[in-house]
Amino acid sequence: GESVGLHLPTLSVQEGDNSIINCAYSNSASDYFIWYKQESGKGPQFIIDIRSNMDKRQGQRVTVLLNKTVKHLSLQIAATQPGDSAVYFCAENIGGGSYIPTFGRGTSLIVHP
Amino acid sequence: DTEVTQTPKHLVMGMTNKKSLKCEQHMGHRAMYWYKQKAKKPPELMFVYSYEKLSINESVPSRFSPECPNSSLLNLHLHALQPEDSALYLCASSQESGLAVDTQYFGPGTRLTVL
Repeated sequence: GESVGLHLPTLSVQEGDNSIINCAYSNSASDYFIWYKQESGKGPQFIIDIRSNMDKRQGQRVTVLLNKTVKHLSLQIAATQPGDSAVYFCAENIGGGSYIPTFGRGTSLIVHP
Repeated sequence: DTEVTQTPKHLVMGMTNKKSLKCEQHMGHRAMYWYKQKAKKPPELMFVYSYEKLSINESVPSRFSPECPNSSLLNLHLHALQPEDSALYLCASSQESGLAVDTQYFGPGTRLTVL
């Protein structure tokens, strides 16, 4: 399943499918990007990050892709599990020496068993 | 210990009350943050403390007053709030390594309801 983030805030997938959550960021000067997962009743939890000098970074079951040409970020989750159900936020850090991430709109991922 | 704790978990207050939210971390982090999050919206930055000094105030109304008594504690004092201030208030901390790449650790938040 694929989400266009800003235009489709909810993504529903079946357990075991791969999920793709997209995010468009606004500032071409942003130099650092983070994906957070927020489960119901909890604070955001860091998933994976990527610097602007990279275009791909892999973690455990997650991959982040960065396309600076079109200012687009995506989070791929392999073999999605019910425990992955949450709201996912991308955040960008504009740089300039201080670390103040700006959160994007968020996408709700619902995984059906 | 990679945990940020916040108390209370829930708070209901009237518009004339004075209350405080508390946040604590023991990771040795030197940057601490307050965010406000409305339902189905992303967190919005309110304040940033760096080395116990207020470094950023995102034009927050004066009815919200932050305080950083020491490097492990962050408070948010509330007075004369409005019903529209009802939200989840999140605290976060980060190392403040100066490298502009710093992982934030969030607490579970305080769910505030203003009647």
